[in-house]
Amino acid sequence: EAGVAQSPRYKIIEKRQSVAFWCNPISGHATLYWYQQILGQGPKLLIQFQNNGVVDDSQLPKDRFSAERLKGVDSTLKIQPAKLEDSAVYLCASSLYSGHGTDTQYFGPGTRLTVL
Amino acid sequence: GQNIDQPTEMTATEGAIVQINCTYQTSGFNGLFWYQQHAGEAPTFLSYNVLDGLEEKGRFSSFLSRSKGYSYLLLKELQMKDSASYLCAVMDSNYQLIWGAGTKLIIKP
Repeated sequence: EAGVAQSPRYKIIEKRQSVAFWCNPISGHATLYWYQQILGQGPKLLIQFQNNGVVDDSQLPKDRFSAERLKGVDSTLKIQPAKLEDSAVYLCASSLYSGHGTDTQYFGPGTRLTVL
Repeated sequence: GQNIDQPTEMTATEGAIVQINCTYQTSGFNGLFWYQQHAGEAPTFLSYNVLDGLEEKGRFSSFLSRSKGYSYLLLKELQMKDSASYLCAVMDSNYQLIWGAGTKLIIKP
């Protein structure tokens, strides 16, 4: 079974530029998560999708971050414009159901973003 | 507020046993997860506890005490490849995962 796919793996941009990350979850997984992980910290949830609907985006900085999952499968996370503090690893995860009980999240390899 | 506490770093010797503790204060409880994360890689699932007691899975075991808001991950017969960060995460009443900052485990020969 293929795992969660993400691209690109690495990205370096200058502040105020825009960037987009792509994620393809495990086939059949209805729930998709985007996390931001700063070095030395645990993952911070940015947004959670159930199929193509948003379940939770309370920690998404909506003035600069946006995400979509139009067909309920793959997803794109965008940052525009980027700030220095956005330098982090962006992790995508997926799970079968909507976080009930043993709803294990499986993570992709992440995208390491450096903002200069 | 919600809080997960883990030691920042631990050191152990190859072949030994190490216990990584996690204490939590969350709004509700729907289970506790342990993930392993090697440097530069994604977290990978290790264990899930929702009832009190010990769950054993090969060299790894995880314990939960809900009344004490406490869990530990026990790693036996340590190998060099066990050098990684170990993340504790609690699923709260809204079924959201609250993550600890992780414990960096260093294994010495």
